[in-house]
Amino acid sequence: DSGVTQTPKHLITATGQRVTLRCSPRSGDLSVYWYQQSLDQGLQFLIQYYNGEERAKGNILERFSAQQFPDLHSELNLSSLELGDSALYFCASSVAAGGPHNEQFFGPGTRLTVL
Amino acid sequence: DQQVKQNSPSLSVQEGRISILNCDYTNSMFDYFLWYKKYPAEGPTFLISISSIKDKNEDGRFTVFLNKSAKHLSLHIVPSQPGDSAVYFCAASSNYGGSQGNLIFGKGTKLSVKP
Repeated sequence: DSGVTQTPKHLITATGQRVTLRCSPRSGDLSVYWYQQSLDQGLQFLIQYYNGEERAKGNILERFSAQQFPDLHSELNLSSLELGDSALYFCASSVAAGGPHNEQFFGPGTRLTVL
Repeated sequence: DQQVKQNSPSLSVQEGRISILNCDYTNSMFDYFLWYKKYPAEGPTFLISISSIKDKNEDGRFTVFLNKSAKHLSLHIVPSQPGDSAVYFCAASSNYGGSQGNLIFGKGTKLSVKP
C-alpha cells in the first residue's frame, strides 16, 4: 500500500459526460501528479500541483482540468468525454515539487470507460 | 517523439538467472532516472533510482546502471524470482532548478520469470 488513495476504482460513463476523479496523497506529501495510461501506451504525465498551486503541465487536454485543495487532496475533472478518453488514470504524490530523490508514490488508479 | 524508450515489450527469464531490462533516452537534460514495477490492477511501485552523477546504484537484488554517453540505463535483477514477474517501467526527469518533478515514462517491459 503506497498510502495514496484514489476514488472511484472504476467509472463507466457515456460520451459527452463529465466525471471527477479524486486523489488523496500520502501523509506529508505536498505534490500531486496525474498520469493517464491508455491501451499500449506508457504513463503520460498530465499535470502537477504543489501545495495548492499548479506546478507543471503535460499533455493535458483543454477538456480536462484539475485542482488541489487546502487539505492537499486533488481532483481531476474530465468533461465532454470521448471514447478515446477511456484509460487508467493514476495519481501520484511526492514530498517536494521536484529535485532528485523526490520519488513519486502511485495510487491504485481509476479505470475510466467511456461508452 | 518518445523521449524514453523501452524497446523490448517483453522478456522471459528462468528463475535464479539474471534479468536485464534496458532503457534508452534522448533528452540530455534528464538527470534522474527511476524504475517502477507494476502488477495488474495496481499502481506502479517505486523500485530503484539513480542520479546522473552516478553510474551504478544497488539495492539488494536490484542494480541500475547508467551510461550517460550512450543515454542508456539498465536494470539488473539477480537472482530473478517468480514474484518479480510484472511490467517494469523506466522513467526520467529533469530536475534542473528543482522546480518540477514530472516523470517521463517508457512504455514498459513485461518480465516473466519462469519457475
